[in-house]
Amino acid sequence: GEDVEQSLFLSVREGDSSVINCTYTDSSSTYLYWYKQEPGAGLQLLTYIFSNMDMKQDQRLTVLLNKKDKHLSLRIADTQTGDSAIYFCAETSYNYGGSQGNLIFGKGTKLSVKP
Amino acid sequence: NAGVTQTPKFQVLKTGQSMTLQCAQDMNHNSMYWYRQDPGMGLRLIYYSASEGTTDKGEVPNGYNVSRLNKREFSLRLESAAPSQTSVYFCASSDRQGVYGGQYFGPGTRLTVT
Repeated sequence: GEDVEQSLFLSVREGDSSVINCTYTDSSSTYLYWYKQEPGAGLQLLTYIFSNMDMKQDQRLTVLLNKKDKHLSLRIADTQTGDSAIYFCAETSYNYGGSQGNLIFGKGTKLSVKP
Repeated sequence: NAGVTQTPKFQVLKTGQSMTLQCAQDMNHNSMYWYRQDPGMGLRLIYYSASEGTTDKGEVPNGYNVSRLNKREFSLRLESAAPSQTSVYFCASSDRQGVYGGQYFGPGTRLTVT
């Protein structure tokens, strides 16, 4: 079946780079997504990458996609205490939602940023 | 533009009580979703509505019903609440006219069933 895997925790120092990794299973996923969830809040769509791309950069965020290994990563440059949150990777699933699919989420990586 | 709104924010129910969680979006999105989030389980899809007038089961539909009242509103009903339904419930919406299916989430409803 489909599964999206992420490590559960990551701790970095303020100013360092953070790299959050994710593996997914559905090679037919068209888009892959990163979401951020701050304490007590909903999920915020951070960025996404189209499956025919290897890399996407958006200010401090860099997404890398390795389709061969089904590996997705999110790099946050110059990590700040405000980046402390849970980060979810998501892929498109075609089990639910017919031809356009719905999203399957990983369990989330809790990023802790130490001053 | 409020995005996705949910009511209530918090709710405590006794086992066997019923309630309806409300969700509305003002982005003119076609698709809407209900998820539950439990510690260690991530987000699991309960029901979704690909377009106005249609609803379908997700991964964990048992114990829930939904209504897509119109394009803006999608409600989730618990007919007879059970302690296993203690969770945080999120509504989301997306525009699935194209292939892109990024979803936008509400702030959540924290439900406790005693």
